[in-house]
Amino acid sequence: NAGVMQNPRHLVRRRGQEARLRCSPVKGHSHVYWYRQLPEEGLKFMVYLQKENIIDESGMPKERFSAEFPKEGPSILRIQQVVRGDSAAYFCASSPVLLRESNQPQHFGDGTRLSIL
Amino acid sequence: TQLLEQSPQFLSIQEGENLTVYCNSSSVFSSLQWYRQEPGEGPVLLVTVVTGGEVKKLKRLTFQFGDARKDSSLHITAAQPGDTGLYLCAGRTGAGSYQLTFGKGTKLSVIP
Repeated sequence: NAGVMQNPRHLVRRRGQEARLRCSPVKGHSHVYWYRQLPEEGLKFMVYLQKENIIDESGMPKERFSAEFPKEGPSILRIQQVVRGDSAAYFCASSPVLLRESNQPQHFGDGTRLSIL
Repeated sequence: TQLLEQSPQFLSIQEGENLTVYCNSSSVFSSLQWYRQEPGEGPVLLVTVVTGGEVKKLKRLTFQFGDARKDSSLHITAAQPGDTGLYLCAGRTGAGSYQLTFGKGTKLSVIP
């Protein structure tokens, strides 16, 4: 999965702490998508961002979760006051253009495995 | 509600055998993609199908999109240990949709 870089690859947090997950899209891509994969489940869409804008956050829990994609730097998925149920693999994907304008795929990173103790 | 059902959930076969995995839904998709995901890595796109009835081949892998664009299948001929992995189908429900809806996947093990 050359291109989309996610870090850290593994993150361990205690209940109540904050988790910050970072995603650097493929160079030149301005659209970022975050997905969550629970054990034995498929990937579930969370949020879609363009530079400095949240376009669709319909898949993101209303509380404790937030995402940003600043003009400079990586996209950040932030989870406050983590609970055990937040344990999952979080994947970031990027695309160069708005997908409805092309058939180009989303390129996925290798994910961050979040474990809550 | 699981929009995309994949079957079987697990499949273990001997090297050299053929296999087919399925992706079914009651919804119509404007396009459908198949990914392979290996442990500790992200999904890697194998193919995108767009037209009902479309068949695409990628070496030993054959992908078919149902005529009604509600289902798809992946057929692997003469499976090899390197084919081992989690196969995911994902669909878009509208031409203007960027959200991918994923199935839970089929975990394939090919035994040497």
